[in-house]
Amino acid sequence: GENVEQHPSTLSVQEGDSAVIKCTYSDSASNYFPWYKQELGKRPQLIIDIRSNVGEKKDQRIAVTLNKTAKHFSLHITETQPEDSAVYFCAAIGAGSYQLTFGKGTKLSVIP
Amino acid sequence: SAVISQKPSRDICQRGTSLTIQCQVDSQVTMMFWYRQQPGQSLTLIATANQGSEATYESGFVIDKFPISRPNLTFSTLTVSNMSPEDSSIYLCSYGDYQETQYFGPGTRLLVL
Repeated sequence: GENVEQHPSTLSVQEGDSAVIKCTYSDSASNYFPWYKQELGKRPQLIIDIRSNVGEKKDQRIAVTLNKTAKHFSLHITETQPEDSAVYFCAAIGAGSYQLTFGKGTKLSVIP
Repeated sequence: SAVISQKPSRDICQRGTSLTIQCQVDSQVTMMFWYRQQPGQSLTLIATANQGSEATYESGFVIDKFPISRPNLTFSTLTVSNMSPEDSSIYLCSYGDYQETQYFGPGTRLLVL
């Protein structure tokens, strides 16, 4: 089955700096890659996603890039703010499947 | 996206008992899923809840321990049976739309004493 590795497990940045979280996946047939943000005590919330036919997608301060050849995708957050502090999970869905496989998560702390 | 809710939001249970968690979506959805999130950990898929047929369980999860019902396209239940302290966790349901995106319910925090 699919295996998703996520790095780093924790990340601290100064407010205003950028944060980058990286994930790799094992199934070359995987074609959908969402990112979720989970604040303490809350549900995971979809913040951005990308499909295998696209290399990059942006939404305001958040961007995701996908390298299909290397089987990795990354989340980029620019101009970080304290409210960006949360745990971020990457995930992947294999072709013909609706089952999400999650990475282990990255705890992002934005220091004011 | 549709509104998804879960009941109860939290519970404290005695070992050996069972708890049924309900998940309701405010519109018909094709796919519904149940996840477990242990404290400080990632999400692990328990099963896919199939309408009109038996749930599809992931490796390590069995129907006797986690029976699931899906009587219609808006509702599903997960029962955690014969609970032990190791079952203390957050249980989340989600639904998938036609574009494979999944949206999560608020979760049920379970503590087993």
